[in-house]
Amino acid sequence: GEDVEQSLFLSVREGDSSVINCTYTDSSSTYLYWYKQEPGAGLQLLTYIFSNMDMKQDQRLTVLLNKKDKHLSLRIADTQTGDSAIYFCAAYSSASKIIFGSGTRLSIRP
Amino acid sequence: DAGVIQSPRHEVTEMGQEVTLRCKPISGHDYLFWYRQTMMRGLELLIYFNNNVPIDDSGMPEDRFSAKMPNASFSTLKIQPSEPRDSAVYFCASSLNSVGGSQPQHFGDGTRLSIL
Repeated sequence: GEDVEQSLFLSVREGDSSVINCTYTDSSSTYLYWYKQEPGAGLQLLTYIFSNMDMKQDQRLTVLLNKKDKHLSLRIADTQTGDSAIYFCAAYSSASKIIFGSGTRLSIRP
Repeated sequence: DAGVIQSPRHEVTEMGQEVTLRCKPISGHDYLFWYRQTMMRGLELLIYFNNNVPIDDSGMPEDRFSAKMPNASFSTLKIQPSEPRDSAVYFCASSLNSVGGSQPQHFGDGTRLSIL
């Protein structure tokens, strides 16, 4: 079945860029999403990209999509302590479901 | 602009008791989803509704779980009887017009359920 995979942890220094990677299996996925979950809260949509795009930028966030490799990444420029959270990649699959990855926990070092 | 509202935020109860989780979707949204999040299994879709009608309940773990949506502004997820392995964070989400696409799902803050 469809699957979305992410690494579990990422640690970066404050002020550096963070790059969170994700791979998905359903090549017909039309929309790909990045959600952020802070402690004790629900998932908050950060951004999404349509499959006919290969890049989308929104302030400090840059999403890159490589459809050939089914690889999605989220780059956070100038990472701040407030960016500490779990980041979920998700794909809207051909079965009309959204498949979520297991989440990447981003921690920020001073 | 109110988001998805879930209640209670925390629930602690003893095994065997009935548990009812509540959700109010964003006004005008016609899709409602119930998810369960655990460390072991991540985020799992349990069931979703379109226009108050259950569309896919294949994620409901067993007959102890049931969900209803009596009207467009209210849904419940019930567990009876509850078991310790049901302990998790349960999220409700809603979206406009579609399961996904350009109208993404908006999540509530969740109900943290602990079954002793």
